[in-house]
Amino acid sequence: SQQGEEDPQALSIQEGENATMNCSYKTSINNLQWYRQNSGRGLVHLILIRSNEREKHSGRLRVTLDTSKKSSSLLITASRAADTASYFCATDAKLGTNAGKSTFGDGTTLTVKP
Amino acid sequence: EPEVTQTPSHQVTQMGQEVILRCVPISNHLYFYWYRQILGQKVEFLVSFYNNEISEKSEIFDDQFSVERPDGSNFTLKIRSTKLEDSAMYFCASSVRQSSSEAFFGQGTRLTVV
Repeated sequence: SQQGEEDPQALSIQEGENATMNCSYKTSINNLQWYRQNSGRGLVHLILIRSNEREKHSGRLRVTLDTSKKSSSLLITASRAADTASYFCATDAKLGTNAGKSTFGDGTTLTVKP
Repeated sequence: EPEVTQTPSHQVTQMGQEVILRCVPISNHLYFYWYRQILGQKVEFLVSFYNNEISEKSEIFDDQFSVERPDGSNFTLKIRSTKLEDSAMYFCASSVRQSSSEAFFGQGTRLTVV
């Protein structure tokens, strides 16, 4: 089974609308991170949420984490055309269990239409 | 702002040739990583490196791959005899601590094997 699965796979919205992306994972984690990747470019770290945190904000980004459901969501409010990108969640396993490496999901491709 | 730098940004090589991908991690970071992303697929962990030795590697990281920190600043990934399926974006990352901290990713090197 796959660690770090995002849904939806693709999301298309109008500028100004909110975008919500979800991520589910299988094993116990130490933290979960969200990254953005513009087409063919590098990974940009957006936000890290630790396993003992439930919600975190950064600008127009809001991330929630539900460790009981092994899921996280990324909300982008008041979206802009520049938010068009792929968004990945990545989990770091608890220390002592494959610690130090991030396991990435398949990503959600977000298109924001002007 | 400190950043991880990777060179070259794009490398084209003949099948069977050796390539070396170079990375300069952030100066006070101690943990180093290589990830790979085949076009249209998820980012996959290759190897982590700490204290001048490999701390973990994935099944992708077979005998044709090697990593080295030849001096105090560079971290390299060598592919001895490239195959067509090695064509991918290769990301270097570094972090201060193992897990629990955000890893900073470079912009990636796009390797094309022809």
